Amino acid sequence: NAGVTQTPKFRVLKTGQSMTLLCAQDMNHEYMYWYRQDPGMGLRLIHYSVGEGTTAKGEVPDGYNVSRLKKQNFLLGLESAAPSQTSVYFCASSQTTDTQYFGPGTRLTVL
Amino acid sequence: SQQGEEDPQALSIQEGENATMNCSYKTSINNLQWYRQNSGRGLVHLILIRSNEREKHSGRLRVTLDTSKKSSSLLITASRAADTASYFCATVPYYTGANSKLTFGKGITLSVRP
Repeated sequence: NAGVTQTPKFRVLKTGQSMTLLCAQDMNHEYMYWYRQDPGMGLRLIHYSVGEGTTAKGEVPDGYNVSRLKKQNFLLGLESAAPSQTSVYFCASSQTTDTQYFGPGTRLTVL
Repeated sequence: SQQGEEDPQALSIQEGENATMNCSYKTSINNLQWYRQNSGRGLVHLILIRSNEREKHSGRLRVTLDTSKKSSSLLITASRAADTASYFCATVPYYTGANSKLTFGKGITLSVRP
């Protein structure tokens, strides 16, 4: 079992460019989440999904979109990247609202 | 908005000593969880305690929960250099439903000196 994987691991974008981060899990979990982690801020929830075909906004959703077309995948999109979106992005999954399993993270820099 | 607030923000101890980390939260919870994050890595779940529990153990970890004070403590006994990491508490609010989500604190940086 690979658990939760994230692609890519690192990315550098210029302001205004777009990109998609891919999260995949092989644990057949219903719930999936996207967080961002910034120094001194802990983890903040961007968007989440409670099942295939569903998405919902978290604490900091502005500037991001998500899609969950397949149960095992959760995509995070940035349509027009801004320097404020420079961060480390973590995906997580869970079967219930208990334990979450995290991916290794994607380090994104927006110039 | 952060639900949990950890204390202290940073802790430095000698190998073999015990490390105690505290977490306070504002609203009623269904459960409280502790996670560890090694530098440059994702978070790893350590232990979960439910609102009707007062204490749980897992190996060298002991977590307590005081719902009247809205606080929890994580104790790591006989610390090792490998315990050096950031530790986060996270809470799930009391109301039930599919949209219950974890809210993380800002974390505690633990350094264990060899």
